[in-house]
Amino acid sequence: EVQLVQSGAEVKKPGESLKISCKGSGYSFTSYWIGWVRQMPGKGLEWMGIIYPGDSDTRYSPSFQGQVTISADKSISTAYLQWSSLKASDTAMYYCVRVVVTASVPYYFDYWGQGTLVTVSS
Amino acid sequence: DIVMTQSPDSLAVSLGERATINCKSSQSVLYSSNNKNYLAWYQQKPGQPPKLLIYWASTRESGVPDRFSGSGSGTDFTLTISSLQAEDVAVYYCQQYYSTLLYTFGQGTKLEIK
Repeated sequence: EVQLVQSGAEVKKPGESLKISCKGSGYSFTSYWIGWVRQMPGKGLEWMGIIYPGDSDTRYSPSFQGQVTISADKSISTAYLQWSSLKASDTAMYYCVRVVVTASVPYYFDYWGQGTLVTVSS
Repeated sequence: DIVMTQSPDSLAVSLGERATINCKSSQSVLYSSNNKNYLAWYQQKPGQPPKLLIYWASTRESGVPDRFSGSGSGTDFTLTISSLQAEDVAVYYCQQYYSTLLYTFGQGTKLEIK
């Protein structure tokens, strides 16, 4: 069974750093892209970026380029999303997603993690 | 970026009746070389992550009830629920994946029971 299990909720102060995780199981972790999607409170879905754990090829949405860092450790089938200096506006639910691929070309999102709620407040 | 616009923003339908949600893209998401529309639909129930319903505009994901169907091509797409059930209350999103690695979602349509 394919599963994406994310790390737990976080409460942080502005300016702090944070790294959240997403562990994949039940499939070949290095054969699928993993993406991250933001959902701000009461709002819609925003694609942030994507990584191919097989070779660590990483792409970012222009809206999030320079704001976050996406990485992966294929030895433990885990992808990460990190911030170096959080802002109150980073308060949101963050989902990791498995991306369907054909010949390494990413398409739609077939599995979603349960979400990690990040709250940034002074 | 390809802008995805859904209509309506919210919808109330009686149990057993048909629900129709529309999605329009700012440019075509039909890839001419394979004649596929790069369009997916997701369902998000309250307090849950989204779930894939439909991909390639009209292919139902495994396990999705056949009352859900997707149609359309080019820039105009529709998600139809043929006979609304109580468990279908959710927000529905369309997404284009034509623009490789520049995915965009519609703003969402909230579906409720009348």
